[in-house]
Amino acid sequence: GAVVSQHPSWVICKSGTSVKIECRSLDFQATTMFWYRQFPKQSLMLMATSNEGSKATYEQGVEKDKFLINHASLTLSTLTVTSAHPEDSSFYICSASGGSRNEQFFGPGTRLTVL
Amino acid sequence: DAKTTQPTSMDCAEGRAANLPCNHSTISGNEYVYWYRQIHSQGPQYIIHGLKNNETNEMASLIITEDRKSSTLILPHATLRDTAVYYCIVRPLNRDDKIIFGKGTRLHILP
Repeated sequence: GAVVSQHPSWVICKSGTSVKIECRSLDFQATTMFWYRQFPKQSLMLMATSNEGSKATYEQGVEKDKFLINHASLTLSTLTVTSAHPEDSSFYICSASGGSRNEQFFGPGTRLTVL
Repeated sequence: DAKTTQPTSMDCAEGRAANLPCNHSTISGNEYVYWYRQIHSQGPQYIIHGLKNNETNEMASLIITEDRKSSTLILPHATLRDTAVYYCIVRPLNRDDKIIFGKGTRLHILP
């Protein structure tokens, strides 16, 4: 299947700092990318949908000024958690759709720990 | 809100077939049944999808009832590596549509 990567795989930061997570589609052009958040023992919660070259669409309750999403190219989307706090500690997962297959492909996830 | 209902957890002996049920009584005519799984601390992995006919691939089989209100994912010979949370999702075929995950079924494969 198609490959989606995320970087970094884990990150620890101090409260108040900003953290950027990258999501890349390695072997196809991703017209749409999605960002999810997952707390321990819970399901994935969709945060936002991003289309290349346009503003992201955020789900209800997700602060767009806190979770900045940029989808500047067909192979890269970034999620920046601004002024991170301990409650932002979570597993962040992206998915991408595009190419010749009618599916979404998920990245391996990024574990964020805010001290 | 997720449109599916799944058991919270299931156990299956290694080497046996694992049958995971899913109810989707409000499925629309243009919606497919998709199955994903998530192994601990990894991203979800696509397994299979179908509209109304039974489907089989190298990973699993999908049995959809004639009225399409329920389905069963079958892992024919479960191994320890199949221990994961399995998500049943109904959605249109459009790959650009967002996926809303329910709580899924936590499948434990027992040695």
